[in-house]
Amino acid sequence: EVQLVESGGGLVQPGGSLKLSCAASGFTFSGSAMHWVRQASGKGLEWVGRIRSKANSYATAYAASVKGRFTISRDDSKNTAYLQMNSLKTEDTAVYYCTRHDDYVWAFDIWGQGTMVTVSS
Amino acid sequence: DIQMTQSPSSLSASVGDRVTITCRASQSISSYLNWYQQKPGKAPKLLIYAASSLQSGVPSRFSGSGSGTDFTLTISSLQPEDFATYYCQQSYSTPRSFGQGTKLEIK
Repeated sequence: EVQLVESGGGLVQPGGSLKLSCAASGFTFSGSAMHWVRQASGKGLEWVGRIRSKANSYATAYAASVKGRFTISRDDSKNTAYLQMNSLKTEDTAVYYCTRHDDYVWAFDIWGQGTMVTVSS
Repeated sequence: DIQMTQSPSSLSASVGDRVTITCRASQSISSYLNWYQQKPGKAPKLLIYAASSLQSGVPSRFSGSGSGTDFTLTISSLQPEDFATYYCQQSYSTPRSFGQGTKLEIK
């Protein structure tokens, strides 16, 4: 079964750190670009960043709102992508989704169920 | 960065109605436009890619059109399971961006 499963969400204080994981199965993870998208409660979808495949030098890119604070990485041997979040702000509170960007349809075709991150004192 | 603007923000319709949602990009994105459906508490689901191509398994009542800066999503005959929020998204350049969403509600 093709799926993505996020984990690692929770409650963290402002200024704190959290690392999310995204475990993939059922498709060739190592050849896929992986993205993170977040959604604050009652709000729309916001692209967070991405990491490309080894063939594309594991290139990363980030939204301006998280650049310098968030880092995306991957471990192809574990079929897992990560989102390291540092210097968290209350406005980072959201459900975080990982999603695969398919190079054929050039769209996000597989999504995880999401993991909730709450930044609050 | 490319800004995506959807209209309307919300829409009330009845089962069997034909509905159209529009999406406009702040610059030309060729046909690099995708549509997603999201139901409450669920992840988004890809409906249409490359402006007009139907994702596998998506009912044929969904269709997309447009190129350049103006795009539309049409549902030909609304079904009860279609009441959800719809997002457009450009895959022309990084950073990727989404429209603000259109909430489709039952009249």
